[in-house]
Amino acid sequence: AQKVTQAQTEISVVEKEDVTLDCVYETRDTTYYLFWYKQPPSGELVFLIRRNSFDEQNEISGRYSWNFQKSTSSFNFTITASQVVDSAVYFCALSEAGGGADGLTFGKGTHLIIQP
Amino acid sequence: EPEVTQTPSHQVTQMGQEVILRCVPISNHLYFYWYRQILGQKVEFLVSFYNNEISEKSEIFDDQFSVERPDGSNFTLKIRSTKLEDSAMYFCASSEYRVVDTQYFGPGTRLTVL
Repeated sequence: AQKVTQAQTEISVVEKEDVTLDCVYETRDTTYYLFWYKQPPSGELVFLIRRNSFDEQNEISGRYSWNFQKSTSSFNFTITASQVVDSAVYFCALSEAGGGADGLTFGKGTHLIIQP
Repeated sequence: EPEVTQTPSHQVTQMGQEVILRCVPISNHLYFYWYRQILGQKVEFLVSFYNNEISEKSEIFDDQFSVERPDGSNFTLKIRSTKLEDSAMYFCASSEYRVVDTQYFGPGTRLTVL
């Protein structure tokens, strides 16, 4: 069965520091999709990125970057020059395309606190 | 930009009462989902819905739960007889395609069962 582990429960950094959120996944499928969602204090879930298992290219979007490594089953998320508005809970999630499961499997989330 | 909407934002109910949570998915999306998040915990899949029937459901989605698309825009989750442990944030999501597509989430309904 699929599983997503976010070992960091909470991370606190000072504004402008870089921070990396770890995500390790388990799946028996060869075709799968990985996601990151942001949950700000207001509670909604905001989609950040989707990556399929055949595309190991790293992605950068502004201050955000993602490092996908199949060899270590990891999909880590880095925020460069963090800002207070980045404070939120970040969830990594997995979807198994081959297994036919519709639902996303979420990790427990990492609570990121950016201090001014 | 199209978005998923949910009503109400907060629902308080007494144990044993029925509640209906409402969602309006993104208009061109064909797949609909409900998830729940107990306070401070991870988001858990409840059910997916396509072509007017349940596509998949988790172990959490027992006989107390039901889903319906009563018209062309709304998607509802009904809890027949609420329990204290049903207190959670309930998220609706939708996607254009199944599995391979991104699921976009609504803002959630916080359900409090007293």
